[in-house]
Amino acid sequence: KQEVTQIPAALSVPEGENLVLNCSFTDSAIYNLQWFRQDPGKGLTSLLLIQSSQREQTSGRLNASLDKSSGRSTLYIAASQPGDSATYLCAARISGGGADGLTFGKGTHLIIQP
Amino acid sequence: DTEVTQTPKHLVMGMTNKKSLKCEQHMGHRAMYWYKQKAKKPPELMFVYSYEKLSINESVPSRFSPECPNSSLLNLHLHALQPEDSALYLCASSQSGDLWDEQFFGPGTRLTVL
Repeated sequence: KQEVTQIPAALSVPEGENLVLNCSFTDSAIYNLQWFRQDPGKGLTSLLLIQSSQREQTSGRLNASLDKSSGRSTLYIAASQPGDSATYLCAARISGGGADGLTFGKGTHLIIQP
Repeated sequence: DTEVTQTPKHLVMGMTNKKSLKCEQHMGHRAMYWYKQKAKKPPELMFVYSYEKLSINESVPSRFSPECPNSSLLNLHLHALQPEDSALYLCASSQSGDLWDEQFFGPGTRLTVL
């Protein structure tokens, strides 16, 4: 069974710093990996999608990388801002069983200090 | 229109009630999903519909009954729920149900079972 792990569970940094969030998965037979942002009590906002054939994706200050062979993905946030404070979830898309959905990590709770 | 909408935003129900959650998207997506998210936990897949065909997650109790009247609309019928079913219920959609597709999430329905 696919397991997705995120490190660290929580992170607090001063505004303006660059930071890296880590995600690892046990089954390298993924189709894609998606990074989401979730604000308290809210739904999920899709940030970046990396297909299994890709190495990285960029959107603004965000850059996500994928290394299937090592079972790792990272989300890099440049020049962090207080508005980046949220929980960040990574999710792997796999195939198997009767339903094909996303397997999520437990998330990294990020606080950017003004 | 690039969003998934869910109604109601909040729902409080007793264990003997029957209620329904509604999800709608007008992006022309042909796959829709229900996820359940307990407090401080990652979302867990419940059901997948692809081209109006249901894939069932075998661990979902029968007191949850999904329905897909058409490709834009997804319902989750609730009956005889337990207090432990209290959670945020998230709906998502993707273009075709292919495993490479990006999933887009709605804001969720916060369900409390008394």
